[in-house]
Amino acid sequence: AQKVTQAQTEISVVEKEDVTLDCVYETRDTTYYLFWYKQPPSGELVFLIRRNSFDEQNEISGRYSWNFQKSTSSFNFTITASQVVDSAVYFCALSEDNSGYSTLTFGKGTMLLVSP
Amino acid sequence: EAQVTQNPRYLITVTGKKLTVTCSQNMNHEYMSWYRQDPGLGLRQIYYSMNVEVTDKGDVPEGYKVSRKEKRNFPLILESPSPNQTSLYFCASGDRGNTEAFFGQGTRLTVV
Repeated sequence: AQKVTQAQTEISVVEKEDVTLDCVYETRDTTYYLFWYKQPPSGELVFLIRRNSFDEQNEISGRYSWNFQKSTSSFNFTITASQVVDSAVYFCALSEDNSGYSTLTFGKGTMLLVSP
Repeated sequence: EAQVTQNPRYLITVTGKKLTVTCSQNMNHEYMSWYRQDPGLGLRQIYYSMNVEVTDKGDVPEGYKVSRKEKRNFPLILESPSPNQTSLYFCASGDRGNTEAFFGQGTRLTVV
């Protein structure tokens, strides 16, 4: 069975600090997809990134970067120079290849609070 | 615009009164699913469907029903709602060719 663990329940930082959100996953499949979603206070789920299991390249998108390491089954998310607008709950999720995203296993989420 | 539409967005109901939350997608996706989100528990899957007339239980199916009579629609039915079904519900759709699973805006349900 697949599992996603986000050990950090809540993180508080001051604006402009860098922050890393941890995600550890378990799966028996060799082909799978990892996701990060953002849930702002308004409640909707905002897609941030998808990474497939064969692509271990790190990715950077503006202030956001992701570090995927199969050796440690981790897919960590770093926000550089955090801003108040980054305050949200962030979810890491896993989908096995044959599900076509019909089944996403989510972590419990990390609430990020960025204060001015 | 590609979207997943859920209705209603907010609903307060009483215990035992049957209700349906609708979900519709306009992307011709094969796969659709329902999740509930509860504090400290993240999102948990209720039911999913990999095609018309094909549905399967997720992790927390008790107290819910679904149907997939058409590709675009995947309603969630609560035959006899109870207070422990008070939650935030999300519908999602996707296909293997997509980069992401598409989520609806969420339905906040309160059962009193």
